Amino acid sequence: QQQVKQSPQSLIVQKGGIPIINCAYENTAFDYFPWYQQFPGKGPALLIAIRPDVSEKKEGRFTISFNKSAKQFSLHIMDSQPGDSATYFCADTNAGKSTFGDGTTLTVKP
Amino acid sequence: DGGITQSPKYLFRKEGQNVTLSCEQNLNHDAMYWYRQDPGQGLRLIYYSQIVNDFQKGDIAEGYSVSREKKESFPLTVTSAQKNPTAFYLCASSIAGATNEKLFFGSGTQLSVL
Repeated sequence: QQQVKQSPQSLIVQKGGIPIINCAYENTAFDYFPWYQQFPGKGPALLIAIRPDVSEKKEGRFTISFNKSAKQFSLHIMDSQPGDSATYFCADTNAGKSTFGDGTTLTVKP
Repeated sequence: DGGITQSPKYLFRKEGQNVTLSCEQNLNHDAMYWYRQDPGQGLRLIYYSQIVNDFQKGDIAEGYSVSREKKESFPLTVTSAQKNPTAFYLCASSIAGATNEKLFFGSGTQLSVL
């Protein structure tokens, strides 16, 4: 059973655009919500993460918005660049176990 | 440099054969994990270990086995019972019990069936 639903599956934007990737979770026991970035042939790397006691977190061009009542959170990439083209995964974590979404393949065109 | 090393990068399995994927970390992390990644799908947890000499099944453990004899090593064996082993396998580690439960990943092993 899938506990994390991620959308869209793929996304194409122009350079400078603001892609938004969404995730919805079911288990309210989750207490850590990271986003990972993965380039082809490589392992994922942590991009940014949030805890449910805050509604927004910014790190550079990356922002997480968190809506606890709706059990949703999203990743926004400001001023997107071609180098941001990668696959992005949301995840929910509790007691050391992470459950991942299916991933969003982002393409940023020059 | 601290990190996670997976080997080999590419591995081919013949039908009926067991193969072992290596994962070594020098981050002094207590917890280690094995994930399977299929195209267009997220990462699915195979096995995880929070401490030496102890490990638990994840969501898709059938056809796989692991051991955790040393803190820095967590090898995964793909047995002949795993009928669809072709996938990208990722090893990860984290500081067990920490409030920051960030996963550190290796570069993966691509397993294919001959």
